[in-house]
Amino acid sequence: KAGVTQTPRYLIKTRGQQVTLSCSPISGHRSVSWYQQTPGQGLQFLFEYFSETQRNKGNFPGRFSGRQFSNSRSEMNVSTLELGDSALYLCASSLGGNLEETQYFGPGTRLLVL
Amino acid sequence: QKEVEQNSGPLSVPEGAIASLNCTYSDRVSQSFFWYRQYSGKSPELIMSIYSNGDKEDGRFTAQLNKASQYVSLLIRDSQPSDSATYLCAVNEGAQKLVFGQGTRLTINP
Repeated sequence: KAGVTQTPRYLIKTRGQQVTLSCSPISGHRSVSWYQQTPGQGLQFLFEYFSETQRNKGNFPGRFSGRQFSNSRSEMNVSTLELGDSALYLCASSLGGNLEETQYFGPGTRLLVL
Repeated sequence: QKEVEQNSGPLSVPEGAIASLNCTYSDRVSQSFFWYRQYSGKSPELIMSIYSNGDKEDGRFTAQLNKASQYVSLLIRDSQPSDSATYLCAVNEGAQKLVFGQGTRLTINP
């Protein structure tokens, strides 16, 4: 079974621009979670989607948004980029039914904001 | 914000020895706990999950959970240089929200 895929893998943007990242979950998985990883803050939860609905959201500003499509693929968007948005953005997929499920991470998108 | 705390290390262990990684969490009602391993420049991969008090063994890895003490640990027996990585403790807060500790950087010395 193919793993979680993320595109693009690397991205360079300038302040004020916006960016859209894509995540394709493992086949059959309906939950997609997004995380931001930085050296200073570690891994932080952004939001989670299940069956096209956002079920949970972390403490990030409204510039960070996401959506999920009927095939469970998900996108996240960051508008008005700031230097501090430079990070590794990871998505993880799971079946989404209960707390004991493992989340499987994709390879990540490394975003650099100049 | 519920917290998960780990000793950031670095933790240095000789090859063949036992590496012990510890994690405490603040939310008493937490039920699902995960250990992920992350190599430099890579994404996290699951090592172990544990939900019940006690020990859970998988090969060279043993996870231990004590809900009364709000403590979860990971033991790595017969440590190998390939075990050198950052180990992340995570707690599922609900609706697939994982709260991670800062990670412990482990180095296995040949």
